[in-house]
Amino acid sequence: EAQVTQNPRYLITVTGKKLTVTCSQNMNHEYMSWYRQDPGLGLRQIYYSMNVEVTDKGDVPEGYKVSRKEKRNFPLILESPSPNQTSLYFCASSLLAGAGNEQFFGPGTRLTVL
Amino acid sequence: GQNIDQPTEMTATEGAIVQINCTYQTSGFNGLFWYQQHAGEAPTFLSYNVLDGLEEKGRFSSFLSRSKGYSYLLLKELQMKDSASYLCAVNSGGGADGLTFGKGTHLIIQP
Repeated sequence: EAQVTQNPRYLITVTGKKLTVTCSQNMNHEYMSWYRQDPGLGLRQIYYSMNVEVTDKGDVPEGYKVSRKEKRNFPLILESPSPNQTSLYFCASSLLAGAGNEQFFGPGTRLTVL
Repeated sequence: GQNIDQPTEMTATEGAIVQINCTYQTSGFNGLFWYQQHAGEAPTFLSYNVLDGLEEKGRFSSFLSRSKGYSYLLLKELQMKDSASYLCAVNSGGGADGLTFGKGTHLIIQP
């Protein structure tokens, strides 16, 4: 089944404890992206990758890192999480970047930082 | 900057028709998407418009006017399962080549 998977789905952690949220897609998509979704703010892009070893900042990159060593995986790294990073996170992928390319979203990761 | 506006919440009756509007001001335009998102779940693709006019897909239709920076999503024969948030998103064709999302319209369907 074509899908985007994320792990973990739920995570409660404490301030400063490094964590990684994994994202994997099995559709051979070139473009991958991370979003966070907060009440009243909608979905905001954190980082994106147009292909292997190519990543760039989105609208809200502060406090996050990503890597794209393989086409299928795009992990999101929080080196020192803070409470303002409590949010619902979505990974998404599309065949290519640009017009008309539907993005497929993972199931989401609900992160709470205490 | 990018700005996408849509109503926060709408209520409609089962079996009726509802229109959800979206206006946008973006630095560029490379197409407009509508996504549906049930509470706590991932957004799922509904429609894509890049040229002016109406795109129909079953009970759902989407309209675009590029000159007015305006789109709407039309849902017909509403069902209870259509209760969800509807997200308008614009591909502005910038460096990110990703999507700028509106804050979403929470649609409540009443019996």
